Amino acid sequence: NAGVTQTPKFQVLKTGQSMTLQCAQDMNHEYMSWYRQDPGMGLRLIHYSVGAGITDQGEVPNGYNVSRSTTEDFPLRLLSAAPSQTSVYFCASSDGPNYGYTFGSGTRLTVV
Amino acid sequence: AQSVTQPDIHITVSEGASLELRCNYSYGATPYLFWYVQSPGQGLQLLLKYFSGDTLVQGIKGFEAEFKRSQSSFNLRKPSVHWSDAAEYFCAVGPRGGASKLTFGTGTRLQVTL
Repeated sequence: NAGVTQTPKFQVLKTGQSMTLQCAQDMNHEYMSWYRQDPGMGLRLIHYSVGAGITDQGEVPNGYNVSRSTTEDFPLRLLSAAPSQTSVYFCASSDGPNYGYTFGSGTRLTVV
Repeated sequence: AQSVTQPDIHITVSEGASLELRCNYSYGATPYLFWYVQSPGQGLQLLLKYFSGDTLVQGIKGFEAEFKRSQSSFNLRKPSVHWSDAAEYFCAVGPRGGASKLTFGTGTRLQVTL
C-alpha cells in the first residue's frame, strides 16, 4: 500500500518557469489537500478538494492552480515560479471530515 | 479566523522523562483537534485526534492529549520519552464537518538527550 506518493522529491526552478507537482493516493480517499511548509510558519493550506471535480482555495492560493479529474490524482501547478514559492510542499489525503490526513513525504522546491 | 498557538518552539527533555507540549487554539466553536509528528525529511504522521466525548484521548506511540474547553487547550503528553521521539510536533484544528481545512500551529521541535 503506497499511501500518498509525491513526485518529484526535489526540484530547482528558475523564476518564471512553470511546473506541476504530482500527487497520487491509492486509498480511495475523497479529501485531498496541498500544503506548503516554511520555517517558523507551520503548514499553510494552498488548495483542497472534497472529491473529483471539486476544488477550493485555501489560505495561500495565489500563484497555484489545481484540478481533480480523478479520485486518485491531485496535481499542483505553479504557473510562473517566484522565489517566494521556495518551500516544501506536502500533499495529503483523508477519508472524510472525521479522519485525520495521511501525508506524502513532500517535494522540496527551490526557485532561483 | 481560527488560529493555533504552540508557545514552545524548542523543548529538550532527557530520555525517560515526562513530556508535555502545549497547544492553544482560537475558534468560534469546539473544533476538531489533531496532533501530528514530523521526523526530519519526512511527511507528517497523525498521532491522535479529538472530535467529541472523552476529553482524554489516546494515540499512537504512547502519546495522549487532553482537551480543556475552558482553557482552549489541547496539550500533548507522554509519561516517558524515548530517544526516537525526537521530532517536530504540530497541533492542528479544523472546523466540524470541514476538517479538509486544517489550520496548523508553527510546531515544537523536541530534542531528547540520553
